[in-house]
Amino acid sequence: KAGVTQTPRYLIKTRGQQVTLSCSPISGHRSVSWYQQTPGQGLQFLFEYFSETQRNKGNFPGRFSGRQFSNSRSEMNVSTLELGDSALYLCASNILGEGYEQYFGPGTRLTVT
Amino acid sequence: GDSVTQMEGPVTLSEEAFLTINCTYTATGYPSLFWYVQYPGEGLQLLLKATKADDKGSNKGFEATYRKETTSFHLEKGSVQVSDSAVYFCALLGQGAQKLVFGQGTRLTINP
Repeated sequence: KAGVTQTPRYLIKTRGQQVTLSCSPISGHRSVSWYQQTPGQGLQFLFEYFSETQRNKGNFPGRFSGRQFSNSRSEMNVSTLELGDSALYLCASNILGEGYEQYFGPGTRLTVT
Repeated sequence: GDSVTQMEGPVTLSEEAFLTINCTYTATGYPSLFWYVQYPGEGLQLLLKATKADDKGSNKGFEATYRKETTSFHLEKGSVQVSDSAVYFCALLGQGAQKLVFGQGTRLTINP
């Protein structure tokens, strides 16, 4: 099976702009999670989607949003970018239930200047 | 809320040395516990997991035992290699939860 795909891999944006990141999970997986990774804060949970519904949301401002499509692909959007949004954004494709596992993509490196 | 505490890095060892990375957790009920590894420029890879007390997860020579009495899940390897250099994350999935809680990560460097 193909792994988790994230596009783009690298992105440079200016403060105030908005950005959309994409994630394609492993075929057959219906749950996708997003994390922000920074040197200072580590890995922080953004949100989780299952069958197009957001089930969990982390403690991030409303500028961070996401959605999931019927084919399980997911996007996250950050509006009005701030310098502090510079981070590695990781998407995970989830196997649920008792054998819960998360398979991570390579991430999108976002730099805000 | 649930939390994970890892030993602070960085950790530097010589090849073939014994490795221990400490991980303790706080959670209600019976969480599942995980170790992930992140190589430079890559996402996280699941290294091993344990879903109940006294379970031992193992993979690629790494082991960790779920100790409920000490709320710990320490990662060990008997003989490390240069290729083990990476950042290691301990994580937990709370009972009934749908998101992982990660520790801060421990950077490991193995010198030849």
